[in-house]
Amino acid sequence: EAGVAQSPRYKIIEKRQSVAFWCNPISGHATLYWYQQILGQGPKLLIQFQNNGVVDDSQLPKDRFSAERLKGVDSTLKIQPAKLEDSAVYLCASSLDMRDEQYFGPGTRLTVT
Amino acid sequence: AQSVTQPDIHITVSEGASLELRCNYSYGATPYLFWYVQSPGQGLQLLLKYFSGDTLVQGIKGFEAEFKRSQSSFNLRKPSVHWSDAAEYFCAVSDSGYSTLTFGKGTMLLVSP
Repeated sequence: EAGVAQSPRYKIIEKRQSVAFWCNPISGHATLYWYQQILGQGPKLLIQFQNNGVVDDSQLPKDRFSAERLKGVDSTLKIQPAKLEDSAVYLCASSLDMRDEQYFGPGTRLTVT
Repeated sequence: AQSVTQPDIHITVSEGASLELRCNYSYGATPYLFWYVQSPGQGLQLLLKYFSGDTLVQGIKGFEAEFKRSQSSFNLRKPSVHWSDAAEYFCAVSDSGYSTLTFGKGTMLLVSP
């Protein structure tokens, strides 16, 4: 069974630029999560989708971050404009349903200079 | 609000020696508790979980953890560490099963020959 796929794996941008990350969850998984992991900290949930609806986006900085999961499968996370403090690893995870085990992708490491 | 404290940022253990990683949580009711491992460039992998019942739980790769309500702790143990165990370990708590995970800052395990 294929795992959670993320791309790109690495991205370097300058502050005030925009960037987008892509996640392809495990086939059949209804729930999708985006986490931000800053160096030296544990992952922090940014947004949770159930199919194509948002369940929780309370910690998403909505002035600059946006995410969508249009067909209830793939998802994109966008940052516009990026700040230095957005440098982090962005992890995508998926689960069969909301109370099931989460499976994590390898992450996208973003460096903002 | 729930929180997790992992007091050790780094731990070095000799190969073959025993290991204990500490985790303390803050949560009013009975929590759902997890340990995840993250190898370099990899996503998080679930080692074990505690939902209810027996307070000593067994996980993958020879790991176990013990839930102690009186100490608000969920320490991870392994009797004999292998070089391949070198990684970062995260304790997490939830109030609703696998969803809504709150992670600690992690403990980096180094294994010396």
